[in-house]
Amino acid sequence: NAGVMQNPRHLVRRRGQEARLRCSPVKGHSHVYWYRQLPEEGLKFMVYLQKENIIDESGMPKERFSAEFPKEGPSILRIQQVVRGDSAAYFCASSPLGTGEYEQYFGPGTRLTVT
Amino acid sequence: QKEVEQNSGPLSVPEGAIASLNCTYSDRGSQSFFWYRQYSGKSPELIMSIYSNGDKEDGRFTAQLNKASQYVSLLIRDSQPSDSATYLCAVNGIRDDKIIFGKGTRLHILP
Repeated sequence: NAGVMQNPRHLVRRRGQEARLRCSPVKGHSHVYWYRQLPEEGLKFMVYLQKENIIDESGMPKERFSAEFPKEGPSILRIQQVVRGDSAAYFCASSPLGTGEYEQYFGPGTRLTVT
Repeated sequence: QKEVEQNSGPLSVPEGAIASLNCTYSDRGSQSFFWYRQYSGKSPELIMSIYSNGDKEDGRFTAQLNKASQYVSLLIRDSQPSDSATYLCAVNGIRDDKIIFGKGTRLHILP
């Protein structure tokens, strides 16, 4: 069974460029969550998606950040016009559909460095 | 505002001893509780989930939940140097599919 897959694992962007982070959930999982983690800090929730729907984006900055989870293909977290403060590890997690089945399984993460 | 509180540590425990990690949460409606382990530079790995009051054992790990006190803990028996990591407590409410993570406790097992 393949776990959560994320790519790229490392991404370097210059200030002002766009960053696209991809996440493929565990097969059969229809819930995807994105988190950001700064060095020596905790995981910060960004957005929760189901197929073709954004359920909760309360943790997402209002500008420059967007996320989608299309009917086909991976979930995408998009950061436009990146700034140095966007440098962080971005983790995707997935969980299965079902009452009480809230365990989330994490991908390996994408380490974004903005130069 | 839902919160999950953990002592940041580091918690130093001699090899072979019991490591005890604690977590408190603020939302009385929380129903699902998780412990994740995160090695430096790696992603969080789910090691235990607990949903009912009491103890749940899995190998060297025991999770303990007390909903009345809003307290959840993780015990690691026979601690090994490979247990050295940051342990994240996570809590989920019954009406909310979002998990709230604590900031984690750094555990250091002394050889």
